[in-house]
Amino acid sequence: GDSVTQMEGPVTLSEEAFLTINCTYTATGYPSLFWYVQYPGEGLQLLLKATKADDKGSNKGFEATYRKETTSFHLEKGSVQVSDSAVYFCALRPLRGSNYKLTFGKGTLLTVNP
Amino acid sequence: GAGVSQSPSNKVTEKGKDVELRCDPISGHTALYWYRQSLGQGLEFLIYFQGNSAPDKSGLPSDRFSAERTGGSVSTLTIQRTQQEDSAVYLCASSPSTSGIYNEQFFGPGTRLTVL
Repeated sequence: GDSVTQMEGPVTLSEEAFLTINCTYTATGYPSLFWYVQYPGEGLQLLLKATKADDKGSNKGFEATYRKETTSFHLEKGSVQVSDSAVYFCALRPLRGSNYKLTFGKGTLLTVNP
Repeated sequence: GAGVSQSPSNKVTEKGKDVELRCDPISGHTALYWYRQSLGQGLEFLIYFQGNSAPDKSGLPSDRFSAERTGGSVSTLTIQRTQQEDSAVYLCASSPSTSGIYNEQFFGPGTRLTVL
Protein backbone atom coordinates (compact mmCIF):
# COMPACT_ATOMS: atom_id res chain seq x y z
CA GLY A 1 0.00 0.00 0.00
CA ASP A 2 0.87 3.66 -0.08
CA SER A 3 3.32 4.98 2.48
CA VAL A 4 5.26 8.11 3.37
CA THR A 5 8.58 8.19 5.18
CA GLN A 6 9.93 11.42 6.57
CA MET A 7 12.98 12.18 8.63
CA GLU A 8 12.49 11.74 12.30
CA GLY A 9 12.93 14.68 14.56
CA PRO A 10 13.16 16.57 16.56
CA VAL A 11 15.04 19.14 14.49
CA THR A 12 16.44 22.12 16.34
CA LEU A 13 17.81 25.10 14.44
CA SER A 14 18.85 28.64 15.12
CA GLU A 15 16.96 31.50 13.53
CA GLU A 16 18.00 32.15 9.91
CA ALA A 17 19.39 28.64 9.45
CA PHE A 18 18.62 26.55 6.38
CA LEU A 19 15.99 23.87 6.78
CA THR A 20 15.57 20.56 4.99
CA ILE A 21 13.07 17.91 6.02
CA ASN A 22 13.33 14.81 3.88
CA CYS A 23 10.26 12.98 2.63
CA THR A 24 10.03 9.93 0.37
CA TYR A 25 6.95 8.04 -0.68
CA THR A 26 5.77 4.73 -2.06
CA ALA A 27 2.68 4.75 -4.22
CA THR A 28 1.39 3.48 -7.52
CA GLY A 29 0.99 5.99 -10.29
CA TYR A 30 1.34 9.68 -9.70
CA PRO A 31 -0.05 10.75 -6.35
CA SER A 32 -0.49 14.34 -5.26
CA LEU A 33 2.00 15.34 -2.58
CA PHE A 34 1.52 17.70 0.34
CA TRP A 35 3.21 19.27 3.30
CA TYR A 36 0.99 20.07 6.26
CA VAL A 37 2.02 22.07 9.31
CA GLN A 38 0.64 21.86 12.84
CA TYR A 39 1.45 24.84 15.03
CA PRO A 40 1.25 24.36 18.81
CA GLY A 41 -2.36 24.07 19.92
CA GLU A 42 -3.74 24.34 16.40
CA GLY A 43 -5.08 22.02 13.72
CA LEU A 44 -3.30 20.83 10.61
CA GLN A 45 -2.90 23.42 7.90
CA LEU A 46 -1.94 22.82 4.31
CA LEU A 47 1.46 24.42 3.72
CA LEU A 48 2.07 23.53 0.08
CA LYS A 49 1.30 20.91 -2.52
CA ALA A 50 2.36 19.54 -5.89
CA THR A 51 0.23 17.42 -8.17
CA LYS A 52 2.63 16.19 -10.85
CA ALA A 53 6.27 15.39 -11.42
CA ASP A 54 8.68 18.35 -11.37
CA ASP A 55 6.03 20.66 -9.89
CA LYS A 56 7.34 22.93 -7.17
CA GLY A 57 5.01 23.86 -4.34
CA SER A 58 5.82 26.99 -2.37
CA ASN A 59 4.33 29.04 0.44
CA LYS A 60 5.64 31.30 3.24
CA GLY A 61 9.21 30.83 2.04
CA PHE A 62 8.95 27.03 2.08
CA GLU A 63 9.47 25.01 -1.08
CA ALA A 64 9.25 21.38 -2.12
CA THR A 65 9.74 19.80 -5.56
CA TYR A 66 7.96 16.64 -6.69
CA ARG A 67 10.73 14.28 -7.82
CA LYS A 68 9.32 11.22 -9.50
CA GLU A 69 12.71 9.63 -10.17
CA THR A 70 13.62 9.62 -6.48
CA THR A 71 10.02 9.46 -5.17
CA SER A 72 10.80 12.40 -2.95
CA PHE A 73 9.22 15.68 -1.85
CA HIS A 74 11.75 17.29 0.48
CA LEU A 75 10.73 20.47 2.31
CA GLU A 76 13.20 23.36 2.33
CA LYS A 77 13.39 26.90 3.64
CA GLY A 78 16.36 29.17 3.26
CA SER A 79 16.03 31.09 6.52
CA VAL A 80 13.81 29.81 9.31
CA GLN A 81 12.14 31.98 11.92
CA VAL A 82 11.08 31.26 15.48
CA SER A 83 7.49 31.34 14.26
CA ASP A 84 8.20 28.32 12.03
CA SER A 85 8.43 26.10 15.11
CA ALA A 86 5.80 23.42 14.52
CA VAL A 87 5.29 19.81 13.49
CA TYR A 88 5.54 19.21 9.75
CA PHE A 89 3.80 16.31 8.01
CA CYS A 90 4.45 15.02 4.52
CA ALA A 91 1.44 13.37 2.90
CA LEU A 92 0.22 11.88 -0.34
CA ARG A 93 -3.15 11.37 -1.97
CA PRO A 94 -3.55 8.80 -4.75
CA LEU A 95 -4.55 9.89 -8.20
CA ARG A 96 -7.09 7.10 -8.51
CA GLY A 97 -8.85 4.63 -6.29
CA SER A 98 -8.89 5.95 -2.75
CA ASN A 99 -8.17 9.47 -3.95
CA TYR A 100 -9.91 11.01 -0.96
CA LYS A 101 -7.53 9.43 1.54
CA LEU A 102 -4.44 11.22 2.77
CA THR A 103 -1.54 9.04 3.86
CA PHE A 104 0.78 10.86 6.24
CA GLY A 105 4.32 10.51 7.42
CA LYS A 106 4.88 10.42 11.16
CA GLY A 107 5.71 14.10 11.41
CA THR A 108 8.86 16.07 12.19
CA LEU A 109 9.00 18.46 15.12
CA LEU A 110 10.93 21.62 14.27
CA THR A 111 12.10 23.98 16.99
CA VAL A 112 13.70 27.26 15.98
CA ASN A 113 15.62 29.12 18.66
CA PRO A 114 16.26 32.87 18.60
CA GLY B 1 -16.87 30.43 12.51
CA ALA B 2 -15.40 29.71 9.12
CA GLY B 3 -13.38 26.64 9.98
CA VAL B 4 -13.97 23.05 11.00
CA SER B 5 -14.88 22.80 14.65
CA GLN B 6 -14.70 19.81 16.95
CA SER B 7 -16.01 19.14 20.41
CA PRO B 8 -15.03 18.47 23.05
CA SER B 9 -11.46 19.67 22.73
CA ASN B 10 -10.43 17.28 25.49
CA LYS B 11 -12.12 14.17 26.82
CA VAL B 12 -10.96 12.00 29.68
CA THR B 13 -12.86 8.79 30.22
CA GLU B 14 -12.57 5.52 32.04
CA LYS B 15 -11.84 2.27 30.31
CA GLY B 16 -15.05 0.59 29.21
CA LYS B 17 -17.11 3.77 28.84
CA ASP B 18 -18.58 4.99 25.54
CA VAL B 19 -17.59 8.35 24.09
CA GLU B 20 -18.97 10.56 21.32
CA LEU B 21 -16.84 13.02 19.41
CA ARG B 22 -18.45 15.71 17.29
CA CYS B 23 -17.35 17.44 14.13
CA ASP B 24 -18.91 20.49 12.48
CA PRO B 25 -17.53 20.83 8.94
CA ILE B 26 -17.21 24.00 6.94
CA SER B 27 -20.62 24.98 5.64
CA GLY B 28 -21.26 23.61 2.17
CA HIS B 29 -18.50 21.00 2.26
CA THR B 30 -19.92 17.70 1.05
CA ALA B 31 -17.01 15.50 2.10
CA LEU B 32 -15.99 14.85 5.70
CA TYR B 33 -13.09 12.79 7.02
CA TRP B 34 -11.98 11.38 10.34
CA TYR B 35 -8.33 10.70 11.16
CA ARG B 36 -6.59 9.57 14.31
CA GLN B 37 -3.25 10.91 15.50
CA SER B 38 -1.46 8.73 18.01
CA LEU B 39 2.11 8.51 19.23
CA GLY B 40 2.74 5.05 17.92
CA GLN B 41 0.87 5.15 14.62
CA GLY B 42 1.10 8.75 13.46
CA LEU B 43 -1.87 10.08 11.49
CA GLU B 44 -4.26 7.37 10.28
CA PHE B 45 -7.34 7.61 8.11
CA LEU B 46 -10.46 6.25 9.77
CA ILE B 47 -13.51 6.96 7.61
CA TYR B 48 -14.91 9.43 5.14
CA PHE B 49 -18.37 10.63 4.23
CA GLN B 50 -19.72 11.88 0.96
CA GLY B 51 -22.94 13.55 2.01
CA ASN B 52 -24.43 11.23 4.61
CA SER B 53 -22.94 8.07 3.12
CA ALA B 54 -19.70 6.47 4.23
CA PRO B 55 -18.22 4.72 1.17
CA ASP B 56 -15.01 3.81 2.97
CA LYS B 57 -14.95 2.65 6.56
CA SER B 58 -11.82 0.60 6.10
CA GLY B 59 -9.74 2.60 8.54
CA LEU B 60 -11.98 2.03 11.55
CA PRO B 61 -9.77 -0.05 13.86
CA SER B 62 -12.51 -2.26 15.31
CA ASP B 63 -16.26 -2.72 15.48
CA ARG B 64 -16.26 -0.62 18.65
CA PHE B 65 -15.82 2.40 16.36
CA SER B 66 -18.71 3.84 14.39
CA ALA B 67 -19.54 7.14 12.78
CA GLU B 68 -22.54 8.84 11.32
CA ARG B 69 -23.33 12.04 9.55
CA THR B 70 -26.72 13.68 9.43
CA GLY B 71 -28.10 16.36 7.15
CA GLY B 72 -24.87 16.38 5.21
CA SER B 73 -23.33 18.39 8.00
CA VAL B 74 -22.44 17.35 11.56
CA SER B 75 -20.70 14.05 12.13
CA THR B 76 -20.33 12.01 15.28
CA LEU B 77 -17.61 9.44 15.90
CA THR B 78 -18.59 6.98 18.61
CA ILE B 79 -16.24 4.69 20.43
CA GLN B 80 -17.86 2.01 22.54
CA ARG B 81 -16.23 0.27 25.49
CA THR B 82 -13.14 2.44 25.23
CA GLN B 83 -9.71 0.90 25.70
CA GLN B 84 -6.45 2.56 26.65
CA GLU B 85 -5.11 2.09 23.13
CA ASP B 86 -7.91 4.37 21.90
CA SER B 87 -6.15 7.31 23.54
CA ALA B 88 -5.23 9.67 20.71
CA VAL B 89 -6.14 12.94 19.06
CA TYR B 90 -9.10 12.50 16.72
CA LEU B 91 -9.02 14.90 13.80
CA CYS B 92 -11.87 15.81 11.53
CA ALA B 93 -11.49 17.41 8.11
CA SER B 94 -13.86 18.55 5.40
CA SER B 95 -13.56 19.41 1.73
CA PRO B 96 -15.87 20.87 -0.90
CA SER B 97 -15.84 17.52 -2.69
CA THR B 98 -13.63 14.49 -3.02
CA SER B 99 -12.58 14.95 -6.62
CA GLY B 100 -10.51 17.33 -8.64
CA ILE B 101 -9.03 20.57 -7.48
CA TYR B 102 -11.71 21.17 -4.91
CA ASN B 103 -10.78 18.39 -2.59
CA GLU B 104 -8.30 20.17 -0.32
CA GLN B 105 -9.01 18.93 3.16
CA PHE B 106 -9.39 21.52 5.91
CA PHE B 107 -8.71 20.20 9.38
CA GLY B 108 -10.26 20.96 12.72
CA PRO B 109 -8.25 21.39 15.94
CA GLY B 110 -8.96 17.84 17.08
CA THR B 111 -10.33 16.13 20.18
CA ARG B 112 -7.75 14.76 22.57
CA LEU B 113 -9.11 11.53 24.05
CA THR B 114 -7.51 10.02 27.13
CA VAL B 115 -8.70 6.65 28.35
CA LEU B 116 -7.67 5.89 31.91
